[in-house]
Amino acid sequence: AQSVAQPEDQVNVAEGNPLTVKCTYSVSGNPYLFWYVQYPNRGLQFLLKYITGDNLVKGSYGFEAEFNKSQTSFHLKKPSALVSDSALYFCAVRINNNDMRFGAGTRLTVKP
Amino acid sequence: DTEVTQTPKHLVMGMTNKKSLKCEQHMGHRAMYWYKQKAKKPPELMFVYSYEKLSINESVPSRFSPECPNSSLLNLHLHALQPEDSALYLCASSQDGKGRYQETQYFGPGTRLLVL
Repeated sequence: AQSVAQPEDQVNVAEGNPLTVKCTYSVSGNPYLFWYVQYPNRGLQFLLKYITGDNLVKGSYGFEAEFNKSQTSFHLKKPSALVSDSALYFCAVRINNNDMRFGAGTRLTVKP
Repeated sequence: DTEVTQTPKHLVMGMTNKKSLKCEQHMGHRAMYWYKQKAKKPPELMFVYSYEKLSINESVPSRFSPECPNSSLLNLHLHALQPEDSALYLCASSQDGKGRYQETQYFGPGTRLLVL
């Protein structure tokens, strides 16, 4: 089945340090992968997506993600974390024309 | 502009009430979606409309009734809900949902529903 997994429920980093939020995928065929962020009591905001091409995808708010086919991973990264990056992050995979399946989510906490 | 708006922001209703959630987008998108999200869980797809026609119904109970009156509007009519239906209901839209795996779905802020 087409799915994504986020192995970490919680990630804690200090402000100014690099951050990584992990995502692995299980997809037959070409993967179409997305990252979204959700702030408290808000909807999901699109960060970036991988369709094809360069393995390093750059997105909003200084985030980027690295697609690794051999490791079936699509980890979200940021060189220098901000306190305001604290939120819930979802990895997602498009499984057909309309349906998108989300990972369980990773709560990122950036401490001053 | 990638804005999807939803009203109301919060809704409290009894199990015998009838209410409606509204969603609107003006991005010219022809696919619109309803998701349900329980606390600390990922969104779960409920319905998909493509070109104002219902294309996916993920076995949602009939007490939830979607409606797409035009290409910009999406409603979710609620009747005889149960307390376990309390959740954040998210609306999303994308370009047209027809064979475009790379389409981005843009989400609204959601309606937080409490069923008493």
